[in-house]
Amino acid sequence: DAGVTQSPTHLIKTRGQHVTLRCSPISGHKSVSWYQQVLGQGPQFIFQYYEKEERGRGNFPDRFSARQFPNYSSELNVNALLLGDSALYLCASSDHTSGTSYEQYFGPGTRLTVT
Amino acid sequence: KQEVTQIPAALSVPEGENLVLNCSFTDSAIYNLQWFRQDPGKGLTSLLLIQSSQREQTSGRLNASLDKSSGRSTLYIAASQPGDSATYLCAVESYNTDKLIFGTGTRLQVFP
Repeated sequence: DAGVTQSPTHLIKTRGQHVTLRCSPISGHKSVSWYQQVLGQGPQFIFQYYEKEERGRGNFPDRFSARQFPNYSSELNVNALLLGDSALYLCASSDHTSGTSYEQYFGPGTRLTVT
Repeated sequence: KQEVTQIPAALSVPEGENLVLNCSFTDSAIYNLQWFRQDPGKGLTSLLLIQSSQREQTSGRLNASLDKSSGRSTLYIAASQPGDSATYLCAVESYNTDKLIFGTGTRLQVFP
């Protein structure tokens, strides 16, 4: 069974541009979360979606947005890119519902470089 | 606000040593604590998940313990191997949130 998949693997963008990152969860998982990991730091929570609804949002500006599709895949969109958005973007899936505790499984990440 | 700290930040040991990685958190109201491994430039691999009601979990040469009251967890690696070289991250999921809060990790190098 395939794990969490993310595309693209690497991406180079220019300041001010827009980017879309994609994630497919493990089959049967309805929850998808997005994290940003800057070099040398632990991942920081951006969003969580469950059953196509936003369940949580981290401390990120409105330039960051996301959505989840009926097949539970997800997109993360970042507008007006800044140099500081350069990071590894990680997607995690779980069979998680609020109020319960389930293991989260991470994808390989998308390395975004903003020049 | 939940904060997670990992000590040491880096560790270099000879092959065969048993070692302990430490993780502490400030708010004991957690659902679970999860340990991950991350190879350079790669995603996270889940190693162990400890539910809030559990004291420890074991998988092969790995053993993780949880003491909620003191806000601490340890990851014990027995008979370390060069293939264990990676960054180890701990993360907690707090009550009434749907997110993991990560520490900054311990970078482990095991040399032959």
